[in-house]
Amino acid sequence: GAVVSQHPSRVICKSGTSVKIECRSLDFQATTMFWYRQFPKQSLMLMATSNEGSKATYEQGVEKDKFLINHASLTLSTLTVTSAHPEDSSFYICSAREQNGYTFGSGTRLTVV
Amino acid sequence: QQQVKQSPQSLIVQKGGISIINCAYENTAFDYFPWYQQFPGKGPALLIAIRPDVSEKKEGRFTISFNKSAKQFSLHIMDSQPGDSATYFCAASIWTNAGKSTFGDGTTLTVKP
Repeated sequence: GAVVSQHPSRVICKSGTSVKIECRSLDFQATTMFWYRQFPKQSLMLMATSNEGSKATYEQGVEKDKFLINHASLTLSTLTVTSAHPEDSSFYICSAREQNGYTFGSGTRLTVV
Repeated sequence: QQQVKQSPQSLIVQKGGISIINCAYENTAFDYFPWYQQFPGKGPALLIAIRPDVSEKKEGRFTISFNKSAKQFSLHIMDSQPGDSATYFCAASIWTNAGKSTFGDGTTLTVKP
């Protein structure tokens, strides 16, 4: 089946630094990808919709200047957490639509210290 | 406003038993109802999904029952196995924009051997 590869799987960064998370569709093209955030033992919350070649659409309450999304090709979307703080520590997951539905990446555990 | 309510929060079932998880939604425009299985540290994986044109869908040991008038749907896991122990999320969306899913809060299933 379709695979969405997410990298890195885990990252620890210092407060104030920026972190980039990559989401790749390996065997299909994805004009649209979605970024979710999940806190421990909680549900997934949609953060933004990433559109190839155009600006991302952010959900209400999500800071677009803090969570920069770039979708430069049909197979790659990136999420950059800028000036990260401990409260940004979370599990970030991307998803993309493929022929049979929506496939999720394996997630990125971000820890800001 | 929580658009998708999931219950129970946790569930313990004996091996071979039936696990039942319920979800209720509010937005009558929703027409795509997937269930996801998530293991710790991993992204959600699509288990089974249903559209409102049918009241039940079965795939192996997993069955979705859908009640459009009550705006409810449920997941039944027959012959539950210890390997089914995971967190299960229901979701709802509009099919043409199913990437923007609203997720339930999740159910942690434990299947005891």
